[in-house]
Amino acid sequence: AQKVTQAQTEISVVEKEDVTLDCVYETRDTTYYLFWYKQPPSGELVFLIRRNSFDEQNEISGRYSWNFQKSTSSFNFTITASQVVDSAVYFCALSDPGANNLFFGTGTRLTVIP
Amino acid sequence: NAGVTQTPKFQVLKTGQSMTLQCAQDMNHEYMSWYRQDPGMGLRLIHYSVGAGITDQGEVPNGYNVSRSTTEDFPLRLLSAAPSQTSVYFCASSYHRQGGSYGYTFGSGTRLTVV
Repeated sequence: AQKVTQAQTEISVVEKEDVTLDCVYETRDTTYYLFWYKQPPSGELVFLIRRNSFDEQNEISGRYSWNFQKSTSSFNFTITASQVVDSAVYFCALSDPGANNLFFGTGTRLTVIP
Repeated sequence: NAGVTQTPKFQVLKTGQSMTLQCAQDMNHEYMSWYRQDPGMGLRLIHYSVGAGITDQGEVPNGYNVSRSTTEDFPLRLLSAAPSQTSVYFCASSYHRQGGSYGYTFGSGTRLTVV
């Protein structure tokens, strides 16, 4: 069965600090997808990234970067030079091979202090 | 292009009442699903549908019914609401094509309180 663990329940950082959100997953499938979503205080789910199990390349998008390591079953998310607008709950999710059912972690609440 | 539309946005029910949460998508996605979000629990899959006329249970289906008569609509029914069903409900639609194209869209959520 799929499982996603986000061990960090809450993180607080001062603005401009870097912060890494951890995500560890479990699956018996060889094909799967990993996601990160942002949920700001307004409540909607904002898609950040999707990575398939065959692509271990790290990705950078502006201040965001993701490190996918199959050897440790981890898909960590780093925000560089954090800003107050980054304050949100961040969810890591794992899909089944069909990429249609998502299994979410419990989320990490990030607070960026000005 | 509206994406995934959920109605209502907020609802208060009394224990034992029934209601239907509506979900509609205009992207012609085959796949639709319902999740609930509870504090400290993340999102959990309730029911899903791989196409019109086909539905299946997810992780937490008890107390909920679904049907998929059209590609566009996937309503979630609570037949007899219980306080344990107080939650935020998200509908999603997705497609996944050979060749890698993929889309997964969530609605804006329905906050349901059962008193």
